[in-house]
Amino acid sequence: SAVISQKPSRDICQRGTSLTIQCQVDSQVTMMFWYRQQPGQSLTLIATANQGSEATYESGFVIDKFPISRPNLTFSTLTVSNMSPEDSSIYLCSVKALAGDGDTQYFGPGTRLTVL
Amino acid sequence: QKEVEQNSGPLSVPEGAIASLNCTYSDRGSQSFFWYRQYSGKSPELIMSIYSNGDKEDGRFTAQLNKASQYVSLLIRDSQPSDSATYLCAAGMEYGNKLVFGAGTILRVKS
Repeated sequence: SAVISQKPSRDICQRGTSLTIQCQVDSQVTMMFWYRQQPGQSLTLIATANQGSEATYESGFVIDKFPISRPNLTFSTLTVSNMSPEDSSIYLCSVKALAGDGDTQYFGPGTRLTVL
Repeated sequence: QKEVEQNSGPLSVPEGAIASLNCTYSDRGSQSFFWYRQYSGKSPELIMSIYSNGDKEDGRFTAQLNKASQYVSLLIRDSQPSDSATYLCAAGMEYGNKLVFGAGTILRVKS
């Protein structure tokens, strides 16, 4: 499986500010995804990061709030904009490999965000 | 809305017993199913995937899929305290390009 890293691992931010989270994979992957896991909850897909085009957002998530970039096949960023305490969550990057692994997604270590 | 349902638990089993975790899904078009384990404060790690009806075994873990009943299960044999975690069931949707997760079942293995 791919080795996935995320930066930062955690952060404490003030209301109204923005934070950009980076996701780096050690091999080229077809698809990258961003999830949110609110305290005590399961994973909710925010968007699919598409290489060379705009991300595909799920219902309830918008580009102005969660802009995403994917400049190449190994890297993506998620920005949480104009943060409020409700954005306090773990943000997880996942990847779907190029071939041979079906629909399996592997997760990065996550970014724990606290908004004050 | 396409959903995956799991009993939140906690499910408590004694060490050495078989733990049985269950999951149902709403989208009949789903073709791929996954069990992830998540320890507190950690990210989900893949335990097993299953695509065909029947059983799939990997060590102490057996995944079972019944597409007619839209039901997926995970059996953990010889449960160990280290198996204590939240187990997330996921179904692949939109031709496998999207995973929808259940709420997770908390498993506690008591020594």
